[in-house]
Amino acid sequence: AQKVTQAQTEISVVEKEDVTLDCVYETRDTTYYLFWYKQPPSGELVFLIRRNSFDEQNEISGRYSWNFQKSTSSFNFTITASQVVDSAVYFCALGPYGQNFVFGPGTRLSVLP
Amino acid sequence: EAQVTQNPRYLITVTGKKLTVTCSQNMNHEYMSWYRQDPGLGLRQIYYSMNVEVTDKGDVPEGYKVSRKEKRNFPLILESPSPNQTSLYFCASSPLAGYYEQYFGPGTRLTVT
Repeated sequence: AQKVTQAQTEISVVEKEDVTLDCVYETRDTTYYLFWYKQPPSGELVFLIRRNSFDEQNEISGRYSWNFQKSTSSFNFTITASQVVDSAVYFCALGPYGQNFVFGPGTRLSVLP
Repeated sequence: EAQVTQNPRYLITVTGKKLTVTCSQNMNHEYMSWYRQDPGLGLRQIYYSMNVEVTDKGDVPEGYKVSRKEKRNFPLILESPSPNQTSLYFCASSPLAGYYEQYFGPGTRLTVT
């Protein structure tokens, strides 16, 4: 069975702090895809990144970076120098190839000014 | 504009009164899915469809029905709504299950009294 765990229910940081959101997944498939989505207070779901199981290279996009480690089944998300606009709920998701998606419960990030 | 649309956006109804939430996508996507979002539980999949006439249960299908008669439409039907179905509902589509990211509709907030 596929499963995604986001152990941090809520995180609160002060602006400009770095913050890491954890994501641990379970799957028996060798081919799968991992995703992060952001849900700001306005409610829409915004796609952030997609990673396939064969590419463990870390990725950086501006202040965002992602660390994929197959050995620990983790796909963690770091925001550097956080800003108030980063306040949102962040979801990690798993997509086994050709099968339905599984989402984690989400981590609510509050960035205080 | 490529998008997933849902209607209605807000709905208040009474127990037992049948309702349908429509979902339509204009991206020719094969995969469509319905989720419900509840506080602390994240996004839970209700039903999904790999293609026309192919649907399958997600994690929380009880009390819901779907159909996929056309590629672009994937309505969610609550034949006898109950208060525990009060939730925020999202429709999503993707070119291929598990491989590409999902595109989400704006959400439908349903209240059953």
